[in-house]
Amino acid sequence: AQRVTQPEKLLSVFKGAPVELKCNYSYSGSPELFWYVQYSRQRLQLLLRHISRESIKGFTADLNKGETSFHLKKPFAQEEDSAMYYCALRPGNTGKLIFGQGTTLQVKP
Amino acid sequence: GAGVSQSPRYKVAKRGQDVALRCDPISGHVSLFWYQQALGQGPEFLTYFQNEAQLDKSGLPSDRFFAERPEGSVSTLKIQRTQQEDSAVYLCASSPQRGAGTDTQYFGPGTRLTVL
Repeated sequence: AQRVTQPEKLLSVFKGAPVELKCNYSYSGSPELFWYVQYSRQRLQLLLRHISRESIKGFTADLNKGETSFHLKKPFAQEEDSAMYYCALRPGNTGKLIFGQGTTLQVKP
Repeated sequence: GAGVSQSPRYKVAKRGQDVALRCDPISGHVSLFWYQQALGQGPEFLTYFQNEAQLDKSGLPSDRFFAERPEGSVSTLKIQRTQQEDSAVYLCASSPQRGAGTDTQYFGPGTRLTVL
C-alpha cells in the first residue's frame, strides 16, 4: 500500500528552538517525496522536494530509505514558520500526490 | 501572472442536489489534478488530466463524481445527488508538463462544499 504518515497533528515550539516534523512513507518502489506548506489564509504551496536536495527558508529534509522517512528539519524556528505542513509521496511517474494528514507547526514568541 | 483559480469559493448544497465546481489552471499548463480534502485530513487524489485526456480517475469515490476538461484548459468537477459525506474542500492543481519528474503542482485556493 502507498501511504504517508505524519504522526503529530500539532507541534508547538518556542522561537529559536529546533524543529523536526516527522514523515514516514510506505512505498515499494523508488519514491519521490515532497513537503508542502499552507500558511494561514494562503493556498497550498511546495516547500521542497527530496531530489533537489535544497534548503528553503532554512528547512531541509533528507530521504532515509532504510527507515522510510523524510523528516523536515530547521535548526532555529521563526514565528513566520507557523503553518500547516504536509508530507507527500509521488509514486512512479503517475503525477498524483499522496499526502499525509498534516502537522500544524506553532512557533511561540 | 495569475495562479490557479477556482469557483465558486464556497458552495452550500442541499442533500440530493447536483453541483459543479470549476478550475482555471495556469495558462499553458498541461496537467490538471483534482483533490478532495476532508476536515482535518490531507488532500486525497481524485483524478488527473493531461490536456483533455483523463488519464487517471482511480480516486473518484463513486459514479456520482464526474470530471471533464474538454478543451484541455478549464476543468469542471461535477457531483451528482450530493451526500453529506461529500462535504469537503475540493482543490485543483496544475503543472506545466506531464506531472512527473521535476514538475511542480500549483494549487488553487479550493472550493469549500457544504452539504446540508
